[in-house]
Amino acid sequence: QVHLQESGPGLVRPSQTLSLTCTVSGGSITSGHYYWNWVRQHPGKGLEWIGYIYPGGRPYYSPALQNRVSLSLDSYKNQFSLNVTSVTAADTALYFCARVDYALSAGHYQYYFDSWGQGILVIVSS
Amino acid sequence: EVVLTQTPGTLSLSPGERATLSCRASRRVSFNSLAWYQQKPGQSPRLLIYGASTRASGVPDRFTGSGSGTDYTLTVSRLQPEDFAFYFCQYYGDSIFSFGPGTKVDVK
Repeated sequence: QVHLQESGPGLVRPSQTLSLTCTVSGGSITSGHYYWNWVRQHPGKGLEWIGYIYPGGRPYYSPALQNRVSLSLDSYKNQFSLNVTSVTAADTALYFCARVDYALSAGHYQYYFDSWGQGILVIVSS
Repeated sequence: EVVLTQTPGTLSLSPGERATLSCRASRRVSFNSLAWYQQKPGQSPRLLIYGASTRASGVPDRFTGSGSGTDYTLTVSRLQPEDFAFYFCQYYGDSIFSFGPGTKVDVK
């Protein structure tokens, strides 16, 4: 069974770059047909999708964040990473890495988040 | 971009009662690409339903997803103590994902 674990600093200064890494164990990040995602959750709020990346493909980003976000994937380390530039207090959130799988249902592919990390709280503060 | 709205914001019910949660999309959902998740405090979300109505592996049959077009529903037939949680809907289309703001189901 795949396991995802986020790591990175829990405190980032305003205007700096937030960098997080997700380490995947229990399976290769390059096997299968998975999308590797970042999702965040502001305190007491809902989920906000940030973006995904998959081996051999380009990353896709939320339109709301695409100007400040970048994702990368390191197949040798079995990790994928998130950078968010020019952070403000509004970027304070619990950040999850998550895997998307897809399945054929009623003749069409359905995409869903099937595995999640435990989340890492990142606070933006001076 | 599809925007999802969930109602009600909070649903207060007693164990054994039926819960009906709504998720409305700002435009038609292609191929019923709508999923539902449950999240408990301090935990990561758990997949319940995908493709609007397909129950994920291990999900009890008291959870049922339905709907089409722009309106989708998650029904919990008889609430168990462990079902009191937050519930989110999620859409995938045009290579991006979006989540609804969630419905909290709490004990009346």
